Amino acid sequence: AQKVTQAQTEISVVEKEDVTLDCVYETRDTTYYLFWYKQPPSGELVFLIRRNSFDEQNEISGRYSWNFQKSTSSFNFTITASQVVDSAVYFCALKRGSNYKLTFGKGTLLTVNP
Amino acid sequence: DVKVTQSSRYLVKRTGEKVFLECVQDMDHENMFWYRQDPGLGLRLIYFSYDVKMKEKGDIPEGYSVSREKKERFSLILESASTNQTSMYLCASSLMKGGRGNQPQHFGDGTRLSIL
Repeated sequence: AQKVTQAQTEISVVEKEDVTLDCVYETRDTTYYLFWYKQPPSGELVFLIRRNSFDEQNEISGRYSWNFQKSTSSFNFTITASQVVDSAVYFCALKRGSNYKLTFGKGTLLTVNP
Repeated sequence: DVKVTQSSRYLVKRTGEKVFLECVQDMDHENMFWYRQDPGLGLRLIYFSYDVKMKEKGDIPEGYSVSREKKERFSLILESASTNQTSMYLCASSLMKGGRGNQPQHFGDGTRLSIL
């Protein structure tokens, strides 16, 4: 069975702090895909990034970076110099290679205070 | 950009009513999904469709049905609404023919449904 665990239910930081959101996944598949989504207070889930199981290269996009480590089954998300606009619920999700469904974690509520 | 449009942001209905939630996507995606989101439970898949007139049950299909008569439109139907169906409903679509590949699901803005 597949499972995604986001152990941090809520995180609160002050603007300009760096923050890391943890994601640990479980799967027996050798081919799988990982995703991060952002859900601001308006409600829409916004796709941020995907990573294939065979590609452990880390990625940086502006203030966002992602660290994928198969050895620890983790796909962590770091926001550098956080801003108030980063306040949202962030979801990590897992997809099997040949399956339609996404398995979501419960989400982490990030609050960035001015 | 992909656009997934849900017909209502907020909806209030009464117990026992038949409720229709509509979702339209403009990117010719094969797959469409309906989720509900509840505090502490995260996102749970209700139904999905991988082609016109095709549907598959998700994790919590009880009390719901779906309809996909056209590729761009996927409707969620609450046959007889109950208070425990008060929730946030999210529609999504994706370009993953046969379920393979890493194409992400793209979501609509959500419908906050209240059943009184």
